Amino acid sequence: AQTVTQSQPEMSVQEAETVTLSCTYDTSESDYYLFWYKQPPSRQMILVIRQEAYKQQNATENRFSVNFQKAAKSFSLKISDSQLGDAAMYFCAYRTSYNAGNMLTFGGGTRLMVKP
Amino acid sequence: NAGVTQTPKFQVLKTGQSMTLQCAQDMNHEYMSWYRQDPGMGLRLIHYSVGAGITDQGEVPNGYNVSRSTTEDFPLRLLSAAPSQTSVYFCASSYSRTTTMFFGPGTRLTVL
Repeated sequence: AQTVTQSQPEMSVQEAETVTLSCTYDTSESDYYLFWYKQPPSRQMILVIRQEAYKQQNATENRFSVNFQKAAKSFSLKISDSQLGDAAMYFCAYRTSYNAGNMLTFGGGTRLMVKP
Repeated sequence: NAGVTQTPKFQVLKTGQSMTLQCAQDMNHEYMSWYRQDPGMGLRLIHYSVGAGITDQGEVPNGYNVSRSTTEDFPLRLLSAAPSQTSVYFCASSYSRTTTMFFGPGTRLTVL
């Protein structure tokens, strides 16, 4: 079974600065998908960014980018020019591409605080 | 599109009561699933469905039943509520197993 680990329960960043959230995962598969979801106080799960394992290029969405290291099984999220609205819980998630199961495996989350 | 909708938003039950959490999506998604989120933890999969008439168990299925009679709806039934089922429940859907999963707004359930 796959596992996802987020080793930073809390992180803090100054507004306009850059912060990196860490995620590692364990799998024996070669083809899979990785995600970062944001959960603000409203509780809504919002997709931030997605990475296909077969793609070598790191995904980017505006101020959000990832550093995907497949051999190291590492998938970190970089937030540039942090804004107050970025304050939230961030979850890293893994999804297999091999079976029909609709499974996302989540890490325990990182709470990001943004200081004005 | 309304996306993924869940009702109710909040619910309080007494131990032993039963209830159904409703989930619907209007995106013609084949894949639907239920997760629970406990304090300080990520989401854990309860049950999932890959199409109408097809369901299977996830990581934490005990105490819950599901059915999928239509593409749009995927209700989660608590058979006999227990305090350990106090949690926030999320329904999610995706078009296929390789496309992005979208989440509903969640239901906060408290079992006394």
